[in-house]
Amino acid sequence: AQSVTQPDIHITVSEGASLELRCNYSYGATPYLFWYVQSPGQGLQLLLKYFSGDTLVQGIKGFEAEFKRSQSSFNLRKPSVHWSDAAEYFCAVGARTDYKLSFGAGTTVTVRA
Amino acid sequence: EAGVTQSPTHLIKTRGQQATLRCSPISGHTSVYWYQQALGLGLQFLLWYDEGEERNRGNFPPRFSGRQFPNYSSELNVNALELEDSALYLCASSAGTSGRDEQFFGPGTRLTVL
Repeated sequence: AQSVTQPDIHITVSEGASLELRCNYSYGATPYLFWYVQSPGQGLQLLLKYFSGDTLVQGIKGFEAEFKRSQSSFNLRKPSVHWSDAAEYFCAVGARTDYKLSFGAGTTVTVRA
Repeated sequence: EAGVTQSPTHLIKTRGQQATLRCSPISGHTSVYWYQQALGLGLQFLLWYDEGEERNRGNFPPRFSGRQFPNYSSELNVNALELEDSALYLCASSAGTSGRDEQFFGPGTRLTVL
């Protein structure tokens, strides 16, 4: 069974600074990888996904993520954060022969002025 | 196009009662997933329905159950409520059943058990 670890529970970053959120997964084969964002009182919105091919994936809202098979990682990055990026971010892994997503515990991002 | 909708937004119950949560998927989506988001625990997979059938369930007791109607909307029932059932319950829908098919999430139902 697949699993996901997000080592950072909470990150505080200044507006305009760069952001990197860590995600490590456990799965025996090449996984499907996702990053979701959840704003307060909202459902989850998909930021980006990786299935195969180019290991650097571009998403919405200026986010990107890089798949590193050797490190079993799929870290999310943004070069310059905006106050509206304050939210909770979830990494998820899906299997090629499965339907359900396994989520990490999430990382809460606070943006200070 | 309307997204996934859930009702009610908030639900307050007492221990031992039953709760019913509802979900309407995006039009054309036949698969509905339920997740529990308890404080500090991330999202835990609860149930998956497709074409009216329960296809699989997560590691939850049988008092968590549900169904999917002919119009693909879904209902989650939680019997004999316990305090630890307090959580945000998220419903998602997808057009297919492959791991590649994006799951679209609703805003959730906040269940509080007193």
